[in-house]
Amino acid sequence: KNEVEQSPQNLTAQEGEFITINCSYSVGISALHWLQQHPGGGIVSLFMLSSGKKKHGRLIATINIQEKHSSLHITASHPRDSAVYICAVTRSGSRLTFGEGTQLTVNP
Amino acid sequence: DAGVIQSPRHEVTEMGQEVTLRCKPISGHNSLFWYRQTMMRGLELLIYFNNNVPIDDSGMPEDRFSAKMPNASFSTLKIQPSEPRDSAVYFCASSFWAGELFFGEGSRLTVL
Repeated sequence: KNEVEQSPQNLTAQEGEFITINCSYSVGISALHWLQQHPGGGIVSLFMLSSGKKKHGRLIATINIQEKHSSLHITASHPRDSAVYICAVTRSGSRLTFGEGTQLTVNP
Repeated sequence: DAGVIQSPRHEVTEMGQEVTLRCKPISGHNSLFWYRQTMMRGLELLIYFNNNVPIDDSGMPEDRFSAKMPNASFSTLKIQPSEPRDSAVYFCASSFWAGELFFGEGSRLTVL
């Protein structure tokens, strides 16, 4: 079993829909990261959080430390949000453990 | 700031050749990471440095891989000799300690 599991693996939505991507982890962590990767592109850090909730534009990330679970929400989704979203956790030190990613496609 | 700068962006080489990938982290960051991404295995940490010192190299696949960080503004990842199974995108990332990570654009390596 992977230490970091994401669901769903693939997600297709219509423009304007509210989207949720989930991440569960099985180890103690010091922080959780949400990353975005466009096709053929680089990786961008969206959020780093260790408790509560963060918001940036149409993106919201929440984490529940007790339940070892985090969600990434996208409100009013747009085709440019189509990308792979990766959940990663930091355990001791700076080492990241990655989930397998969620491929999101938003159709116009 | 220009962000994390990697070179080359693309490299095509023949099996057995030496490959050197380069990374310039963001100024002021003291942690540097080398990751490899493949379709089969996703993102994998190869090695990371804190203050130019290698901290964890357990992800380095084998002795053919080596990484150096001679100073705070430069790191190299070398593969010698290269093999077709080394074909991947290699990302460098930097952060200030265990803070937010900033990734380079990646170096796409193809070994024929």
